[in-house]
Amino acid sequence: DIQMTQSPSTLSASVGDRVTITCRASQSISTWLAWYQQKPGKAPKLLIYKASTLESGVPSRFSGSGSGTEFTLTISSLQPDDFATYYCQHYSSYSWTFGQGTNVESK
Amino acid sequence: QVQLQESGPGLVKPSETLSLTCAVSGYSISSGYYWGWVRQHPGKGLEWIGTIFHRGNTYYNPSLKSRVTISVDTSKNQFSLKLSSVTAADTAVYYCARHNMIWGVIGDYWGQGTLVSVSS
Repeated sequence: DIQMTQSPSTLSASVGDRVTITCRASQSISTWLAWYQQKPGKAPKLLIYKASTLESGVPSRFSGSGSGTEFTLTISSLQPDDFATYYCQHYSSYSWTFGQGTNVESK
Repeated sequence: QVQLQESGPGLVKPSETLSLTCAVSGYSISSGYYWGWVRQHPGKGLEWIGTIFHRGNTYYNPSLKSRVTISVDTSKNQFSLKLSSVTAADTAVYYCARHNMIWGVIGDYWGQGTLVSVSS
């Protein structure tokens, strides 16, 4: 089974900061990677799919990159609404795996 | 606008079967897409439970496969989850979601989630 490992687990940042979250796969997954944002008490929200494609309606300050085993989610200028937990997710052959999540908190 | 809504008991006794239904509006399940369930233990990450296609094809997380059944009722435009022999470890928020297989996405639309507690 492919394991997805996110880092860091917690990230302390301020409004306006550039934030980068990393997701590593235990083996190559091409670009089968999505990113979600989740706020307390809410369902996850799709941000990015196929590693770098921005979901419709998601602000352009969010971007994704990577292929193979290493991927990043970048928030170019952190906004107050962006404090949340972020998850990466991999798909392969009718099976889905999530990273353990990265909590972006206010410094 | 596609909307999903979970329903079912919020409290289940140990060893019994957890049953949830996801009602879909704004899109006909029979038109396509795969549909599934994801759960989140309190304060923890997300876990895929299983997936169904409108024709009845099912796929389950191997760690839960022996206890999970997912079914679809296209006439009611809904799909359901049954998880048998539950323990306290099955206490979680359960989400239903529409998958997008072209993008490899487990959820482009989600229900709001429902907390199910397992306790006597």
